[in-house]
Amino acid sequence: EDQVTQSPEALRLQEGESSSLNCSYTVSGLRGLFWYRQDPGKGPEFLFTLYSAGEEKEKERLKATLTKKESFLHITAPKPEDSATYLCAVQDNNDMRFGAGTRLTVKP
Amino acid sequence: DAGVTQSPTHLIKTRGQQVTLRCSPKSGHDTVSWYQQALGQGPQFIFQYYEEEERQRGNFPDRFSGHQFPNYSSELNVNALLLGDSALYLCASSGGGGQPQHFGDGTRLSIL
Repeated sequence: EDQVTQSPEALRLQEGESSSLNCSYTVSGLRGLFWYRQDPGKGPEFLFTLYSAGEEKEKERLKATLTKKESFLHITAPKPEDSATYLCAVQDNNDMRFGAGTRLTVKP
Repeated sequence: DAGVTQSPTHLIKTRGQQVTLRCSPKSGHDTVSWYQQALGQGPQFIFQYYEEEERQRGNFPDRFSGHQFPNYSSELNVNALLLGDSALYLCASSGGGGQPQHFGDGTRLSIL
């Protein structure tokens, strides 16, 4: 059965302290791996799609990478406004499966 | 360009009742998916509609049903509500073919 595991569950950083979030997955027939940001009381906001191992995508302070078993979301010099829950999802031929998310808090 | 819109934003029901939630997809999108998100968890896939047909379904009982209209908007119906159905219900739309899904802000359903 497809599985998506995100770690850590929660992460507290000081402003400017770079770190990485992990998404480990097992899936048969990966059609895409997606990263979303979710703020409290809001729906997930699309960040990146990765389709094949070795692929990388960047947007402002965020960079997503993909291997055959996991994806990383690297956050460089985070700011307090980066505080949110970051969700990873994998899509196979049947459905989209989400991890439980990493709750990121960035202190000024 | 309007994104995905959902209504209502909040809803309170009692056990045994039924509920209908509504979703209008992002302009240009023809595929609509529904998710249930419990507090502190990631969204769980309920089903997906394309061309007015249920194309895929997650591990949810038949109490959960849906519909898609010719204008691509969609409804989620839940019958015989249980306390465990309390959650945030999210609608997502896409252009299909592995394209990213774009989410609405959800309907918060509380069952008393």
